[in-house]
Amino acid sequence: EPEVTQTPSHQVTQMGQEVILRCVPISNHLYFYWYRQILGQKVEFLVSFYNNEISEKSEIFDDQFSVERPDGSNFTLKIRSTKLEDSAMYFCASTRAEEYGYTFGSGTRLTVV
Amino acid sequence: QKEVEQDPGPLSVPEGAIVSLNCTYSNSAFQYFMWYRQYSRKGPELLMYTYSSGNKEDGRFTAQVDKSSKYISLFIRDSQPSDSATYLCAMRQGAQKLVFGQGTRLTINP
Repeated sequence: EPEVTQTPSHQVTQMGQEVILRCVPISNHLYFYWYRQILGQKVEFLVSFYNNEISEKSEIFDDQFSVERPDGSNFTLKIRSTKLEDSAMYFCASTRAEEYGYTFGSGTRLTVV
Repeated sequence: QKEVEQDPGPLSVPEGAIVSLNCTYSNSAFQYFMWYRQYSRKGPELLMYTYSSGNKEDGRFTAQVDKSSKYISLFIRDSQPSDSATYLCAMRQGAQKLVFGQGTRLTINP
């Protein structure tokens, strides 16, 4: 069964450093998303991406965050200057069309120290 | 009032029992309703997906949506220890963001 692949599975970074989280969505999917889950809390929406542009973003997704689809397969989330409160599991998701459910990746655990 | 409310549990039942998981919501514009299963430190896995009101069955799983009451349910029949996980309800309006519940931690005891 096709799956969404995320790398790395775990990243430790120092506060203030830039990180890039990588995702390979399912190949025929057109809509891409980033969500995050702080330990013990809800899964929260960050951003949705369609047709090479952001279609919706949350209040969390401020100027420190950016997304990119640099080629036909990868979808990345960049955090420019990490803060301690950015520590969370970050999930990439994709879907073929808006009326379908999303497929999530296994996540990247980001630890900011 | 929270947009989506879900009892976090934990819920512990014996193997073979019928499990009932529920969520309530406040936004009457939600149209798409999903249930995800999440194992520890893993991504959410889509279990059930329904549009608007009604029932949907898939094997041992049944999803129910009652839009008039703003209430959704997931039933698991003949529960197995491998069903032990956190179950997340999620919903959205049109193409907008998916809004998740807190998740219910479920343990099936052999």
